[in-house]
Amino acid sequence: DTVLTQSPALAVSPGERVTISCRASESVSTGMHWYQQKPGQQPKLLIYGASNLESGVPARFSGSGSGTDFTLTIDPVEADDTATYFCQQSWNDPFTFGSGTKLEIK
Amino acid sequence: EVQLVESGGGLVQPGRSLKLSCLASGFTFSNYGMNWIRQAPGKGLEWVASISSSSSYIYYADTVKGRFTISRDNAKNTLYLQMTSLRSEDTALYYCARRGDPHYYVMDAWGQGASVTVSS
Repeated sequence: DTVLTQSPALAVSPGERVTISCRASESVSTGMHWYQQKPGQQPKLLIYGASNLESGVPARFSGSGSGTDFTLTIDPVEADDTATYFCQQSWNDPFTFGSGTKLEIK
Repeated sequence: EVQLVESGGGLVQPGRSLKLSCLASGFTFSNYGMNWIRQAPGKGLEWVASISSSSSYIYYADTVKGRFTISRDNAKNTLYLQMTSLRSEDTALYYCARRGDPHYYVMDAWGQGASVTVSS
């Protein structure tokens, strides 16, 4: 199975730019997607196909990358962005999720 | 508004069975593939099973293959997950999720989850 590696946690101040990375153990082309999960809530799709913004998601969120290295960028960060961010690949079967990056807003 | 509402969770003894349901509303259920994805307490997300819009294609994670059965009733707008031979490691919050974009396998709508605890 394709393993997705994410940093466990990040802490930033409001107004800053934050990048959350996800590295795949093998190429996933552009089949990488990002979800936001706030405490006690279900995941929410933010980015699909590595760089496509899901409808209704603020333009502060963006994604980039292809192959094995991907990035989710939030610029500028707001207090409401406190959440865990998961990457998910759908290029290789079975589709898999990263372990999540917990973002703390100082 | 797209809504997915899971039900049927609870406390169950190891080796027993449980059936989850997910009632969909706000969209044409029969047009979408659906999934079950679980999250163990304090852990990440794990795909469990998928079913295509007409039930023609069904897939399972190796960890549940032979024990879990995904199904759907398009007339009732309902997705199911029959779980048998439950183990402690099946303890998790089970989400029902809709497959979104047809080109990429992404989940664009999620329910609130049904909690399953396997313990004696």
